[in-house]
Amino acid sequence: GENVEQHPSTLSVQEGDSAVIKCTYSDSASNYFPWYKQELGKRPQLIIDIRSNVGEKKDQRIAVTLNKTAKHFSLHITETQPEDSAVYFCAASEDGQNFVFGPGTRLSVLP
Amino acid sequence: GAVVSQHPSRVICKSGTSVKIECRSLDFQATTMFWYRQFPKKSLMLMATSNEGSKATYEQGVEKDKFLINHASLTLSTLTVTSAHPEDSSFYICSARAALAGDWNEQFFGPGTRLTVL
Repeated sequence: GENVEQHPSTLSVQEGDSAVIKCTYSDSASNYFPWYKQELGKRPQLIIDIRSNVGEKKDQRIAVTLNKTAKHFSLHITETQPEDSAVYFCAASEDGQNFVFGPGTRLSVLP
Repeated sequence: GAVVSQHPSRVICKSGTSVKIECRSLDFQATTMFWYRQFPKKSLMLMATSNEGSKATYEQGVEKDKFLINHASLTLSTLTVTSAHPEDSSFYICSARAALAGDWNEQFFGPGTRLTVL
C-alpha cells in the first residue's frame, strides 16, 4: 500500500521568511495530493491540492510542486505570518477517496 | 464550502461502556464518509470507509466488532466504540466526500470528537 513520508517534523521560521515542507510517496498510481492545515484542537482544512497532470500550483502565498518521477511533492509558504503556525499534513490518493496522510509538520512562525 | 458536523464534540465515559459518534453532512449528500483516529501530535489514521447502504470497509488492524459503523443515509454516518477502554481514548474525526462538479476529490472534515475513557 501507499506510504507517505513528510519532512521536517518541526519547522521554525521568522515571520516574513519562507517555509518549505516536503513529502514523498511510494505508490506511483497516486494521482491526487492535498495539503491540510490543522490548528490546535481543530479540524484539518484543505489549503491547496495538486493533481498528477500538473507540476505546480499557486494560490497567493502558498504553492505546491509535484515531481512525479521522483515521487515527491512540496508545500511552499512565502512571507510567513504568525497565523500560519499550525500542523500541516500532506496526503496522497490514487482514487480520490482513500487518503494516506503524512505524519505532519509542526510549523512555528516566530514574530 | 461543504459543512460536516460531528456530535458530540467531547465525551467522557467509563470503561466498558459504548459511545456513539455521529457525523453529518449538512448541505450536501455524501455517499462516502471516512472515519479517522488521531493521537496527540500524530497524523490522521484512516480507520474505515463508510458507504451509504453497504458495509463499511475497515483498514487493516481495526476491529470491526469494536468500532461499529453505520451509514444509513446520505447525510449521516455513525461510529460506535463498543466496550470502550482507556486505550480507545483519542480524537476521532470523520470526513465526507462531496460529489461536487470540479471538486470530486475533496474531503471535508468534521470538527472531531475527543473521547476520554476513564
